[in-house]
Amino acid sequence: DQQVKQNSPSLSVQEGRISILNCDYTNSMFDYFLWYKKYPAEGPTFLISISSIKDKNEDGRFTVFLNKSAKHLSLHIVPSQPGDSAVYFCAARSGSARQLTFGSGTQLTVLP
Amino acid sequence: SAVISQKPSRDICQRGTSLTIQCQVDSQVTMMFWYRQQPGQSLTLIATANQGSEATYESGFVIDKFPISRPNLTFSTLTVSNMSPEDSSIYLCSGETGEAFFGQGTRLTVV
Repeated sequence: DQQVKQNSPSLSVQEGRISILNCDYTNSMFDYFLWYKKYPAEGPTFLISISSIKDKNEDGRFTVFLNKSAKHLSLHIVPSQPGDSAVYFCAARSGSARQLTFGSGTQLTVLP
Repeated sequence: SAVISQKPSRDICQRGTSLTIQCQVDSQVTMMFWYRQQPGQSLTLIATANQGSEATYESGFVIDKFPISRPNLTFSTLTVSNMSPEDSSIYLCSGETGEAFFGQGTRLTVV
């Protein structure tokens, strides 16, 4: 049973527009959520995170929104750039446990 | 943030053989993790490796198949033993200092 789900395997967006990547989770014990970006032949790199005590965290062009009641989070990238084209993974962890549970990823393609 | 050097970056191995993957961190980290990413799927945690103790394996993964060493706070190895084509995956090591950071991954193909 997948505890973290990314239901869209791919997303295409025009350069300059907003990219919205979605993630749902089922485990109510998760209290910290992260987004990672992965280019081919590289390991995932940390992008942005949010604690369950917040509903929004912003870092430059990247904003993560958390809706605890819906067990849903989203990553907004605005404006999108061609260099943002990558696979984006949503991840979660609970309490003092440090290991992450990952979603299956969304391939974002930003078209010039 | 800390940097992990992982090697080899890729390998093609014969079934029945073993491959050891190495990860070297440029700073000391208490916890390291090993993940597997099968084609088109998510990253799945294999085990947690702490220095000075046996690795803790997740359900579905066993020490005989994936022995792990953690001799110090900057180094860890994962061995994929007695390989079969089903072991063809990307294997990733990870350390944690606040947020998890990853090595470049090892793309393993078993033929």
